[in-house]
Amino acid sequence: DAGVIQSPRHEVTEMGQEVTLRCKPISGHDYLFWYRQTMMRGLELLIYFNNNVPIDDSGMPEDRFSAKMPNASFSTLKIQPSEPRDSAVYFCASSPGGPGHGYTFGSGTRLTVV
Amino acid sequence: AQSVTQPDIHITVSEGASLELRCNYSYGATPYLFWYVQSPGQGLQLLLKYFSGDTLVQGIKGFEAEFKRSQSSFNLRKPSVHWSDAAEYFCAVGAPYNTDKLIFGTGTRLQVFP
Repeated sequence: DAGVIQSPRHEVTEMGQEVTLRCKPISGHDYLFWYRQTMMRGLELLIYFNNNVPIDDSGMPEDRFSAKMPNASFSTLKIQPSEPRDSAVYFCASSPGGPGHGYTFGSGTRLTVV
Repeated sequence: AQSVTQPDIHITVSEGASLELRCNYSYGATPYLFWYVQSPGQGLQLLLKYFSGDTLVQGIKGFEAEFKRSQSSFNLRKPSVHWSDAAEYFCAVGAPYNTDKLIFGTGTRLQVFP
């Protein structure tokens, strides 16, 4: 298995632009998680899906952030409009079941908003 | 709700020395416990996990961890550290039958001197 695949690996954009981050989970994994990692705040859970349905989006910072999972093999995290404080590494992770299975993380997307 | 604490932000050891990274959790019952490692520019990789049974669990890369219920701890150990072990280490806790989410600690950065 190729693991969790995220694209792009790096994204540099100007403030106010729309940014879309992409994630392909491991086939057969029912759970998908989006995390944000910064030096100041560490790892933050933004949202997670179970069987393509958003279960908990309480970590989404603002209405500028949205996430979708149109099918079992693809998810997007969109920021519109982007701001410099959104600069971070965004990770996608997937899991075959509940918390006992642990997560498999992607390599992340490093977002820089200038 | 469950929580996890990693008391050490940064640890420095010499190559060949033994290592112990601390992790304390808060949960009313026996949780699921995990250790992840993050190398620079990479995602988090699962080192080992504990669900039940033998309280000493073996993981990849020569790491082990011991679950101590009386101390609410799950410390990570390695008898002899290699320079390639320099990374950030995260402890995570999951609550059986409570939530799908893992709660991650703030991480411990390990530096290895030759």
